[in-house]
Amino acid sequence: SQTIHQWPATLVQPVGSPLSLECTVEGTSNPNLYWYRQAAGRGLQLLFYSVGIGQISSEVPQNLSASRPQDRQFILSSKKLLLSDSGFYLCAWSVGGEAFFGQGTRLTVV
Amino acid sequence: DQQVKQNSPSLSVQEGRISILNCDYTNSMFDYFLWYKKYPAEGPTFLISISSIKDKNEDGRFTVFLNKSAKHLSLHIVPSQPGDSAVYFCAASENFGNEKLTFGTGTRLTIIP
Repeated sequence: SQTIHQWPATLVQPVGSPLSLECTVEGTSNPNLYWYRQAAGRGLQLLFYSVGIGQISSEVPQNLSASRPQDRQFILSSKKLLLSDSGFYLCAWSVGGEAFFGQGTRLTVV
Repeated sequence: DQQVKQNSPSLSVQEGRISILNCDYTNSMFDYFLWYKKYPAEGPTFLISISSIKDKNEDGRFTVFLNKSAKHLSLHIVPSQPGDSAVYFCAASENFGNEKLTFGTGTRLTIIP
């Protein structure tokens, strides 16, 4: 069966510090991978999606970047965090049809 | 540009009654639609989906209706149970789910015992 791991679950970072959130998927090959953010009072905003290794599409201009160094690994990064980067970050995978989500990372930038 | 809209941020329903959550979309290329349920501090979980070749899909207490001409879909939960209290997101995709999912802003459903 397929599983998705996302870590850490919670993170408190100072403004200007770097960020690295990691997501790995097991039990499937060549999945589509996604990073979403749920900010307070808002829906799920698609940040990045990837259809293969090294292929990243950015949906919104922002202070974040994503990389896919391996087929089932998706990393969300920032060189310098802003206060507005606070939110609940979700990784997801799909192979067509429904997407399956990780447990999320609560990021608080202070 | 919000392509998937859930105009009701919240909804309260008595236990045992029907809950109806609504969703509208603007992109006529969407042909696959999904509903997700989300509890606080957890990832969304998939509930039910429907493709544009159908107008209804049923799974237990959950039924999704699609009106393509109105670009509208709805999720019916009957009977509603306290455990159904959560935020519900509708989502849409092109190419029968092979493209990225676009989510609505969510509706918080509260079931009153």
